[in-house]
Amino acid sequence: DAKTTQPTSMDCAEGRAANLPCNHSTISGNEYVYWYRQIHSQGPQYIIHGLKNNETNEMASLIITEDRKSSTLILPHATLRDTAVYYCIVRVANDMRFGAGTRLTVKP
Amino acid sequence: DAGVTQSPTHLIKTRGQQVTLRCSPKSGHDTVSWYQQALGQGPQFIFQYYEEEERQRGNFPDRFSGHQFPNYSSELNVNALLLGDSALYLCASSLGGSWGAYEQYFGPGTRLTVT
Repeated sequence: DAKTTQPTSMDCAEGRAANLPCNHSTISGNEYVYWYRQIHSQGPQYIIHGLKNNETNEMASLIITEDRKSSTLILPHATLRDTAVYYCIVRVANDMRFGAGTRLTVKP
Repeated sequence: DAGVTQSPTHLIKTRGQQVTLRCSPKSGHDTVSWYQQALGQGPQFIFQYYEEEERQRGNFPDRFSGHQFPNYSSELNVNALLLGDSALYLCASSLGGSWGAYEQYFGPGTRLTVT
């Protein structure tokens, strides 16, 4: 079973920041949090990952709470092409346990 | 830079038949993982191959087997196909060891339909 819970769906206005929450209250000390997204019927695309500290790359920022029980993925300026299913994953050994994800719809 | 490639793109098989799916990892990657994604669900981990051996396995029956070749490419075999095996089969590649952080890069998938 996935170790994460996410809202089923979210909407965001184009050009605004999209903030996608994730709960992972049973995460262990050495388990990483990963975010992937999947645009309709394509393979999942890696976005970002982190362990304890906040992370930023060219696609997004990842904010992890101090107790590591939750995190937020931030897309700073959402575009229509960011419409996708976003998966928050806690990696258990070599097993990336995907849940059902959050369907983000970016609206004009 | 060659990404992860999979073949074939689509496949239709009859219940009871056997199928082989193929995956070439991203250049420089040595580890291949396979996932099954049913319609409307997230991908489910089948198994991972590293150094030509199965390193970890998810909750899938022995009908699902695999192989990794010296060039790091991989095959997924499914025997005695069931209607419930209809899904998108995804291959993901990554580099190296089981601990620490690593990124998996996914291929476009093979859509298998069992009739």
